[in-house]
Amino acid sequence: AQSVTQLGSHVSVSEGALVLLRCNYSSSVPPYLFWYVQYPNQGLQLLLKYTSAATLVKGINGFEAEFKKSETSFHLTKPSAHMSDAAEYFCAVSDKGAQKLVFGQGTRLTINP
Amino acid sequence: ETGVTQTPRHLVMGMTNKKSLKCEQHLGHNAMYWYKQSAKKPLELMFVYSLEERVENNSVPSRFSPECPNSSHLFLHLHTLQPEDSALYLCASSQDPWTGGYGYTFGSGTRLTVV
Repeated sequence: AQSVTQLGSHVSVSEGALVLLRCNYSSSVPPYLFWYVQYPNQGLQLLLKYTSAATLVKGINGFEAEFKKSETSFHLTKPSAHMSDAAEYFCAVSDKGAQKLVFGQGTRLTINP
Repeated sequence: ETGVTQTPRHLVMGMTNKKSLKCEQHLGHNAMYWYKQSAKKPLELMFVYSLEERVENNSVPSRFSPECPNSSHLFLHLHTLQPEDSALYLCASSQDPWTGGYGYTFGSGTRLTVV
């Protein structure tokens, strides 16, 4: 069965610094991969997704993620953090033909002024 | 209105009450989902409906009863809940559940408090 591991339940960076949120998945074949963001008391919003096209995927709000098959990783990055990026971020994976996404446990991102 | 709409946004209910959560999607999607999100716990998939047919029930207690009358509407009927059922309940939909590549569109959730 698919699984997703997000390293670090809480990440704190300074405003303007690089944001790096880590995600590793387990799969024997390249899956579909997603990053979602959740602001307080809101639902999850899709940031970006990988569906076997380009390995570097650009999303909304300046975020991007790179699919690395050799490392089974799909880390999320943003060159310069903004205060509005403070939220919880979820990595998710889906097999082709699967009827559900499997979510990681989430990483809470805090931005320090 | 577009997207996935959940009502109510907040709900406080006693343990002996009966209430329902409603989810509506205007995206023409074929699958709908209920998730439970508790503090400091991972997202828990509760139910999956594909073309109005329940395809998954993840060992959810019978005090939660889903209903999907058509592909646009999903309900979660609640009765005799426990305080540990207090959580954010999220509804989601997806365009094509069989290929997995579309991801989900989520509603804003219903914050449920059981007193």
